[in-house]
Amino acid sequence: GQNIDQPTEMTATEGAIVQINCTYQTSGFNGLFWYQQHAGEAPTFLSYNVLDGLEEKGRFSSFLSRSKGYSYLLLKELQMKDSASYLCAVRVSGDDKIIFGKGTRLHILP
Amino acid sequence: GAVVSQHPSWVICKSGTSVKIECRSLDFQATTMFWYRQFPKQSLMLMATSNEGSKATYEQGVEKDKFLINHASLTLSTLTVTSAHPEDSSFYICSARDHQKGEQFFGPGTRLTVL
Repeated sequence: GQNIDQPTEMTATEGAIVQINCTYQTSGFNGLFWYQQHAGEAPTFLSYNVLDGLEEKGRFSSFLSRSKGYSYLLLKELQMKDSASYLCAVRVSGDDKIIFGKGTRLHILP
Repeated sequence: GAVVSQHPSWVICKSGTSVKIECRSLDFQATTMFWYRQFPKQSLMLMATSNEGSKATYEQGVEKDKFLINHASLTLSTLTVTSAHPEDSSFYICSARDHQKGEQFFGPGTRLTVL
């Protein structure tokens, strides 16, 4: 079966840095996604990693280790608007599907 | 990033009626689109994969006769919820893959309420 694990909730302070981890065990692998989802809204694309390593995009960075089945999303200089759920998702090779984890609800404190 | 639109953004209908939801990729061609459903405080659940010019592939437990999918062009997929019932009330979100870049983007979602 397919399994994607990430923490249910995390809390961090405005201006700080937070790392959200994701581990996966899937029948195949063809890329890992991170999305941000605010309550009542659709997910917004943040990053897409296919190869090992770190990809940086402004305040957000995403890391992938395929051998370990592990990824993390790093958020720097946290702002109140970063309070949201962060979804880790894996594209399972062969059928093009993307399977989602249950998401991590991030709370930002002033 | 790429833009995916969805229409309508919300709909309220009576039990037994059918509702059609449109999903369009606005600045790229999408040979593959996906339909998800999300209940409150739960994760996105993939319902089906929509392939341009061929039949959709449904996930286990999703009734293909109830959720009709048509992917008639490279930029448009439609989901029709037939004979809707209150338990079909949910947030329906489409997604389209940009095959050139491999990235996948979501539409803004359609909130369906069946009375």
